[in-house]
Amino acid sequence: DAGITQSPRHKVTETGTPVTLRCHQTENHRYMYWYRQDPGHGLRLIHYSYGVKDTDKGEVSDGYSVSRSKTEDFLLTLESATSSQTSVYFCATSSGQTREVETQYFGPGTRLLVL
Amino acid sequence: AQSVAQPEDQVNVAEGNPLTVKCTYSVSGNPYLFWYVQYPNRGLQFLLKYITGDNLVKGSYGFEAEFNKSQTSFHLKKPSALVSDSALYFCAVRDQTGANNLFFGTGTRLTVIP
Repeated sequence: DAGITQSPRHKVTETGTPVTLRCHQTENHRYMYWYRQDPGHGLRLIHYSYGVKDTDKGEVSDGYSVSRSKTEDFLLTLESATSSQTSVYFCATSSGQTREVETQYFGPGTRLLVL
Repeated sequence: AQSVAQPEDQVNVAEGNPLTVKCTYSVSGNPYLFWYVQYPNRGLQFLLKYITGDNLVKGSYGFEAEFNKSQTSFHLKKPSALVSDSALYFCAVRDQTGANNLFFGTGTRLTVIP
């Protein structure tokens, strides 16, 4: 599996505060993704990146922004956290260097609680 | 648009019995389908994927999945369940627009009873 770490692993914050989650990978994968996992919804894509400084919106991007200044790091920012953003956040990566249907590999997740 | 559905929130099976976790899909083009497993407090682990070819796909940990085009299904199977197979299972389909994004089902919790 790809070496993917997420930080922090747990965070409690208050409504209205900014929050940044970090995803770091050591596999030199070109594609990176942020998902949120909620009961009854499975995983839903927030944003993804197909290269340094190249990002795009996913299914549930409202209230989130991302940045990718280096291949290995993909940051997810909640500009002003709301209780509806309480969730478990997963980062994933895929190679992006083949023409095949590629597998995504997932990090361990960040559990975020917004009070 | 593409989507997958997992009709069962919970599946219980006795240890040693065969298990099936169901998934149906809806796509307009060729379906590229995946199964992932999530153990408690862990990330998702890839089990297997279907791209083309043989309708029976073999994956990790003794799991396999059967692709059925006429029934638009991609059910996950294992001949003999282990207690350690107890976990949350997700079916997913790749974005038809060409991006590598995945659309996930809502998940099925499998419990294997000793």
